[in-house]
Amino acid sequence: GENVEQHPSTLSVQEGDSAVIKCTYSDSASNYFPWYKQELGKGPQLIIDIRSNVGEKKDQRIAVTLNKTAKHFSLHITETQPEDSAVYFCAASWSSGNEKLTFGTGTRLTIIP
Amino acid sequence: DTAVSQTPKYLVTQMGNDKSIKCEQNLGHDTMYWYKQDSKKFLKIMFSYNNKELIINETVPNRFSPKSPDKAHLNLHINSLELGDSAVYFCASRPVTGNGYTFGSGTRLTVV
Repeated sequence: GENVEQHPSTLSVQEGDSAVIKCTYSDSASNYFPWYKQELGKGPQLIIDIRSNVGEKKDQRIAVTLNKTAKHFSLHITETQPEDSAVYFCAASWSSGNEKLTFGTGTRLTIIP
Repeated sequence: DTAVSQTPKYLVTQMGNDKSIKCEQNLGHDTMYWYKQDSKKFLKIMFSYNNKELIINETVPNRFSPKSPDKAHLNLHINSLELGDSAVYFCASRPVTGNGYTFGSGTRLTVV
């Protein structure tokens, strides 16, 4: 089955700087890669996703890049703000009709004011 | 107007008891899931239902029994609760087209 590794497990960034979180996946059949943000006491919330036919996707301060050959994808947050502090999860799945998301182990991002 | 709602939000119970967690989604999604998040924040799939039919069962002990009375509801019943069942349980749903999951806010189960 799919295995997703995520690094780093914790990340502290000065407000205004950029943050990068990286994930690798094992199943070359995976074709969908979402990122979720989980705030304290809440469920994970989808913030951006990318499919395997695209190399990069951007939404305001958030971008995701995908390298299918190397089987890794990354989340980039620019101009970080205190409200970006949360746990971020990457995930991978393949579209089979019965797809399930396999999650990475999470990154606790702390923005230092 | 909550999209995916779970009840209860907190559940504290003694070992050996039987408990249920309820989940409802008003998004019109066909597929629903139960995920378990352990103390290290790791999210692991437990079950998936598509239009009331079980499609994924990830080697979960048979003390856990999901039930889907209709495609908007997916409940989780747990028999003979054990200390190791303590975790946060998340319900999620997904539309037929598209892969984006919508998660509920979770149920924190504590077994004492």
